[in-house]
Amino acid sequence: KAGVTQTPRYLIKTRGQQVTLSCSPISGHRSVSWYQQTPGQGLQFLFEYFSETQRNKGNFPGRFSGRQFSNSRSEMNVSTLELGDSALYLCATRMGGATEAFFGQGTRLTVV
Amino acid sequence: KQEVTQIPAALSVPEGENLVLNCSFTDSAIYNLQWFRQDPGKGLTSLLLIQSSQREQTSGRLNASLDKSSGRSTLYIAASQPGDSATYLCAVLRTSYDKVIFGPGTSLSVIP
Repeated sequence: KAGVTQTPRYLIKTRGQQVTLSCSPISGHRSVSWYQQTPGQGLQFLFEYFSETQRNKGNFPGRFSGRQFSNSRSEMNVSTLELGDSALYLCATRMGGATEAFFGQGTRLTVV
Repeated sequence: KQEVTQIPAALSVPEGENLVLNCSFTDSAIYNLQWFRQDPGKGLTSLLLIQSSQREQTSGRLNASLDKSSGRSTLYIAASQPGDSATYLCAVLRTSYDKVIFGPGTSLSVIP
């Protein structure tokens, strides 16, 4: 059974650019959550999508957005990149409800 | 508002020791609690999931307990090995439709 797949694994962008990250969930998983992880802040929740609808949202500026497709794959977009956006971005998927969450390997974004 | 804390923040033990990691949460009305490990720069690996109706779960050398009334969970690692060195995070789900809330993690180092 395939795990959660995040692409790309590594990314280097310049300040002011925008970036799109992708997360393909385990088959049958309808919930996709996104997290930002930095050394100083730990895991910060960005948003969660369930059946193509944003169900929960964290405290991030509007530059961070996401969407989910009918096949449950999700993308997150960050516009007008800042140096502080450099982080490991992780997605977690679950079937829905109070079920076990599984994480992808993350996308390491470096903004220069 | 649900808050999750973990003590200690860091732990260093000699190989072979049994050890206990602690997780505390402020709102006892949780749906489930999940323990993860994270290796540096990698995604999170699910270790154990405890549903609110359960008191403990076991997997190999790992045993996790849950005491909802006191807002605590412990992860017991028996006969620790250098390969257990990682950061261990606990996460709680308040309702089946809520976001998962993570603790800051315990960084474990097992010395050969």
